[in-house]
Amino acid sequence: GAVVSQHPSRVICKSGTSVKIECRSLDFQATTMFWYRQFPKQSLMLMATSNEGSKATYEQGVEKDKFLINHASLTLSTLTVTSAHPEDSSFYICSARVAGGLSANYGYTFGSGTRLTVV
Amino acid sequence: QKEVEQNSGPLSVPEGAIASLNCTYSDRGSQSFFWYRQYSGKSPELIMFIYSNGDKEDGRFTAQLNKASQYVSLLIRDSQPSDSATYLCAVKGSASKIIFGSGTRLSIRP
Repeated sequence: GAVVSQHPSRVICKSGTSVKIECRSLDFQATTMFWYRQFPKQSLMLMATSNEGSKATYEQGVEKDKFLINHASLTLSTLTVTSAHPEDSSFYICSARVAGGLSANYGYTFGSGTRLTVV
Repeated sequence: QKEVEQNSGPLSVPEGAIASLNCTYSDRGSQSFFWYRQYSGKSPELIMFIYSNGDKEDGRFTAQLNKASQYVSLLIRDSQPSDSATYLCAVKGSASKIIFGSGTRLSIRP
């Protein structure tokens, strides 16, 4: 149980275009979704936290107008990278907090990640 | 000071030996601590979590927590080549956010 489906797994886009990444909780309600970015050989850096029906909370240094997060339902959160540039190329991963109770993952489960390449 | 610190490695351990991975954290109020394994190009997968001082064992893995020293470790017994990966230490801080360390690359040599 507690599976998060993340799509696409890989995307290549041209500089200046926008890319949307989706994370869907398949068998639970994700009240909170965390979005991370990971550059090669570096750790996961938290970008923002989104709660269903509320505006996302962004970490310091993350541009909210560039990384648009929508968490309109308990099963879907999206991250849109607007006007993407080569420096935005990275591995983006979502993580959902499972509402209620303890799961094998202590209430957090990760998507499979999206490799974004901006050319 | 980083919130969660790990030695980046690489840590090279012979097959069958014990691999010891260490992590320190800065927030004394942290309550939960996690070890994740991440293979190249993949999402992290949870190995262990611990929230009480002392040891917690699960199969070949043992997590150790010392809150007074703000120190967490992971021991892997009978190391296998398939254990070669990057191990991420993570700490649950305020607002239920999980903060990751930079990871330690572990290499098990046959």
